[in-house]
Amino acid sequence: QKEVEQNSGPLSVPEGAIASLNCTYSDRGSQSFFWYRQYSGKSPELIMSIYSNGDKEDGRFTAQLNKASQYVSLLIRDSQPSDSATYLCAVTEGYKLSFGAGTTVTVRA
Amino acid sequence: SAVISQKPSRDICQRGTSLTIQCQVDSQVTMMFWYRQQPGQSLTLIATANQGSEATYESGFVIDKFPISRPNLTFSTLTVSNMSPEDSSIYLCSAGAQTIQETQYFGPGTRLLVL
Repeated sequence: QKEVEQNSGPLSVPEGAIASLNCTYSDRGSQSFFWYRQYSGKSPELIMSIYSNGDKEDGRFTAQLNKASQYVSLLIRDSQPSDSATYLCAVTEGYKLSFGAGTTVTVRA
Repeated sequence: SAVISQKPSRDICQRGTSLTIQCQVDSQVTMMFWYRQQPGQSLTLIATANQGSEATYESGFVIDKFPISRPNLTFSTLTVSNMSPEDSSIYLCSAGAQTIQETQYFGPGTRLLVL
């Protein structure tokens, strides 16, 4: 069974710090990787996608992918209280997405 | 990105009844999906809604319980049939373009409570 594992939370970080989220996946054939943010009571919102090994930066977010290690991460720099949410890692299985359980981040003011 | 709407946004239903959830996308998309998110849990794919053919269901989900329609490239419905309290959940519709680098965008969800 293909699996997507995320580091267990909740993760509490002070405002202005870096939040580091990790995700491993079991399907070596996966081609595309996504991070979604989900606020309580809301639907998932796509914040990052990454397809090639290395880093991809978008504002305060940096996604890192290492296909050899089957590992994808998300760094949130200068964390803000508005970043408090659950972050879902998603990995493609063909045309479908497989989601991790999510990591809940709380940014302390 | 696609803009997706769902109706109803929430409902409270009696056990044994059925509810049909509608999903509308603002542009034509090849792939539409239905997910369930139970309280405190991640997303579980119910089925892929295929235009012009039967939906493709994931393990543990059957057409009799979750019939799906996909009459065109912008619209789909999911029916939750013969509901029980265990069906209380958030039901999410998503859409994605059929590209190699698949991306899915989600609707706002339908919050269902079965009494």
